[in-house]
Amino acid sequence: QKEVEQNSGPLSVPEGAIASLNCTYSDRGSQSFFWYRQYSGKSPELIMSIYSNGDKEDGRFTAQLNKASQYVSLLIRDSQPSDSATYLCAVKNPYSGGGADGLTFGKGTHLIIQP
Amino acid sequence: ETGVTQTPRHLVMGMTNKKSLKCEQHLGHNAMYWYKQSAKKPLELMFVYSLEERVENNSVPSRFSPECPNSSHLFLHLHTLQPEDSALYLCASSHDSNYEQYFGPGTRLTVT
Repeated sequence: QKEVEQNSGPLSVPEGAIASLNCTYSDRGSQSFFWYRQYSGKSPELIMSIYSNGDKEDGRFTAQLNKASQYVSLLIRDSQPSDSATYLCAVKNPYSGGGADGLTFGKGTHLIIQP
Repeated sequence: ETGVTQTPRHLVMGMTNKKSLKCEQHLGHNAMYWYKQSAKKPLELMFVYSLEERVENNSVPSRFSPECPNSSHLFLHLHTLQPEDSALYLCASSHDSNYEQYFGPGTRLTVT
């Protein structure tokens, strides 16, 4: 049973600070990892993908991957109130060999940026 | 706007009704997916289609029947649903050279 674990929160961060979101996954064979942002009443929006160990930066967002520890994180620098949302960690299901594979999602972390 | 559209956006149906959800992608992708999102539960994969062929059925009850007539369109046919099937149904698409999936706005389904 593939599992993706996230702390459901809420995680409260003051405006301008760094928000740190964490995710662990159970299947050691997993190779592809994604972060989605979901506003209340909306669908998930892809914000980052990461495939290799280390850091990947895109604007105010940095994704970090440690396959040995089966751990993925997302850092949001200079947090803004508009960053308040639920952040979903997703892992591509491994072993099927193709690009058309479903994702296994965590339950999400509810992030609140306090003005 | 992600380039993935879904209709209808809201649907209320009785347990004896038959209805269909429609998804269309304008991204040139060749894989499409149905997911279910219920309150307090993570997104659940239902079906995967690659090049119009179903490659994964995640043990979904037969009252949900998918159809993928071409790489741009995906349907989910619904019949004799149960109240516990009420949820947000999300369509996504991707290209097999890139694993990134993009979601449509979803259909909010209520079964009465």
